[in-house]
Amino acid sequence: QVQLQESGPGLVKPSQTLSLTCTVSGDSLSGSTHYWSWVRQSPRKGLEWIAYIYTNGRATYNPSLKSRASISIDTSQNQFSLRLNSVTAADTAIYYCARGGYTYTGPWGQGTLVTVSS
Amino acid sequence: SVLTQPPSASGTPGQWVTISCSGSRSNIEFNSVSWYQQLPGTAPQVLIYSNDQRPSGVPDRFSGSKSGTSASLAISGLQSEDEAVYYCASWDDSLNGRVFGGGTTLTVL
Repeated sequence: QVQLQESGPGLVKPSQTLSLTCTVSGDSLSGSTHYWSWVRQSPRKGLEWIAYIYTNGRATYNPSLKSRASISIDTSQNQFSLRLNSVTAADTAIYYCARGGYTYTGPWGQGTLVTVSS
Repeated sequence: SVLTQPPSASGTPGQWVTISCSGSRSNIEFNSVSWYQQLPGTAPQVLIYSNDQRPSGVPDRFSGSKSGTSASLAISGLQSEDEAVYYCASWDDSLNGRVFGGGTTLTVL
């Protein structure tokens, strides 16, 4: 059974960089034919897709976040990561990692709340 | 939201309910639709993918359909454990990204 777990700081200061990692168990990223995604959820914007990445490192981004977001994959650690720079209060959200890409995503991790505040 | 869902729906145990998701030619009409269930305090999980396919483990009480620029999620034999928020999603060719509906809160009366 595939499981995903997000990790990273729960509090980030405005203008700094948000960094999150998703650790995958039950599926090997190096041999996988799946895409891997980041999605966030906030009361203001609901569910918002951020980016997805394939095992070969090819990434696709939400155009509205592309200038600030970076997704990467480390198959040796069975992890993939998200970096979002120049954060503001509008980036406060629950961040989820999930298996899947442009067609559907599942399963999802439990999510991690990231608050942007000084 | 790019995809429009009713904010709420309700039904009594055993009833059949449907939740709609309205989009456009740039998303639903030419791309597949997926549905997600978010139980209170948990992450969304996929219920339906590729318009009408159920992942293993999802009860066959849940079904999906698509016609033109709209999609629907149907739940038969409604149970109290079905109380959740339901989201639709699709790819949008104009926005070049995945889009979600605003979510429908289902209440089992």
